[in-house]
Amino acid sequence: DTEVTQTPKHLVMGMTNKKSLKCEQHMGHRAMYWYKQKAKKPPELMFVYSYEKLSINESVPSRFSPECPNSSLLNLHLHALQPEDSALYLCASSPRGYGRTTDTQYFGPGTRLTVL
Amino acid sequence: SQQGEEDPQALSIQEGENATMNCSYKTSINNLQWYRQNSGRGLVHLILIRSNEREKHSGRLRVTLDTSKKSSSLLITASRAADTASYFCATDGLGNNAGNMLTFGGGTRLMVKP
Repeated sequence: DTEVTQTPKHLVMGMTNKKSLKCEQHMGHRAMYWYKQKAKKPPELMFVYSYEKLSINESVPSRFSPECPNSSLLNLHLHALQPEDSALYLCASSPRGYGRTTDTQYFGPGTRLTVL
Repeated sequence: SQQGEEDPQALSIQEGENATMNCSYKTSINNLQWYRQNSGRGLVHLILIRSNEREKHSGRLRVTLDTSKKSSSLLITASRAADTASYFCATDGLGNNAGNMLTFGGGTRLMVKP
């Protein structure tokens, strides 16, 4: 299995809802990432997990809460989002843990989030 | 924050022509990667060039890196309609624990007309 999967593909939520995005990889990768991408902009790093521990939080608002239950799974819990949080949320993984020589990152197809 | 700037922002060419995209960055790097993104989809890794390399080839792709100018270029030869996508350069920084933390350039939107 050489892919990163993300569910759901699309999500529409109200500002008072609680929802979660899920990311899964079975390549044995030790680093996993969440990125946010607005239309016609590059991906912006949100979080990095290395060996299931949070290594980097790029000053992301607390309404985004990441979780790494095991080495294959990464979740992003969403609560009280704002319309400006509408974006494509991309998950990625890479073979080695954070802090080592740069690896290729393998991206999932993304979740298109719309906040009403 | 965005490390790199890409030029041009958009490029439209005919099938069979070559496409050249440029990327400039600000800080010293370990290496530079190029990714491709089809509309609204995930990114696909194309090529990685290390800071001690000057040129690298992969199929129809040719990447150059000039660390003195802090710039890189991606050349796609004999373009095809299927090459239509956005192309991003991504850099990682030097220093402790800087690896694997990629910063993406603004991207070039390439359209190849059949």
